[in-house]
Amino acid sequence: SQQGEEDPQALSIQEGENATMNCSYKTSINNLQWYRQNSGRGLVHLILIRSNEREKHSGRLRVTLDTSKKSSSLLITASRAADTASYFCARNAGGTSYGKLTFGQGTILTVHP
Amino acid sequence: NAGVTQTPKFRVLKTGQSMTLLCAQDMNHEYMYWYRQDPGMGLRLIHYSVGEGTTAKGEVPDGYNVSRLKKQNFLLGLESAAPSQTSVYFCASTRTGTINQPQHFGDGTRLSIL
Repeated sequence: SQQGEEDPQALSIQEGENATMNCSYKTSINNLQWYRQNSGRGLVHLILIRSNEREKHSGRLRVTLDTSKKSSSLLITASRAADTASYFCARNAGGTSYGKLTFGQGTILTVHP
Repeated sequence: NAGVTQTPKFRVLKTGQSMTLLCAQDMNHEYMYWYRQDPGMGLRLIHYSVGEGTTAKGEVPDGYNVSRLKKQNFLLGLESAAPSQTSVYFCASTRTGTINQPQHFGDGTRLSIL
């Protein structure tokens, strides 16, 4: 069963605008990861944020984590047409989970030039 | 450095046929995973392996078998394909089960069962 919910399911913006995607989960995490998937391709890892971290940056990407609300958000600033893709959050429970991830259903981002 | 390679990329089967999907990684990763991706469902874990010679069930294992005879390869088998197994299959690997490691994905196998 899916352990996470992503919101919105689809997002359409203009180039240069910011895109924010949200992820909620139900059970405790060790870390939360964000992945990107271009059409017809596999998933590519973007950012991993640990449960004791609140914010992380990578280039134009900013991820926040609020463990009290069991939610995370991914912000893409100054978006480009090349950012058009599906974005997934994935929860790692740690412990004896053997690195397993539980994925949300994803947000489809379309950036119009 | 190829990373994770999946073969074949596409396949059409008839109901009841069998086939094997191959995943190969060249990163000396210990852990490997098979997922399926259906529209609007995200990825769901089918089976995984924590090392050569080991396999374990994931969230949706029914109708699938796996083998990990060599560390670099993880095979997913469908013994008697059913239309419900029409999906895109992704293989992933990670260095170890140590926490805070990302997974590396192949480009998927698109499987249609008629």
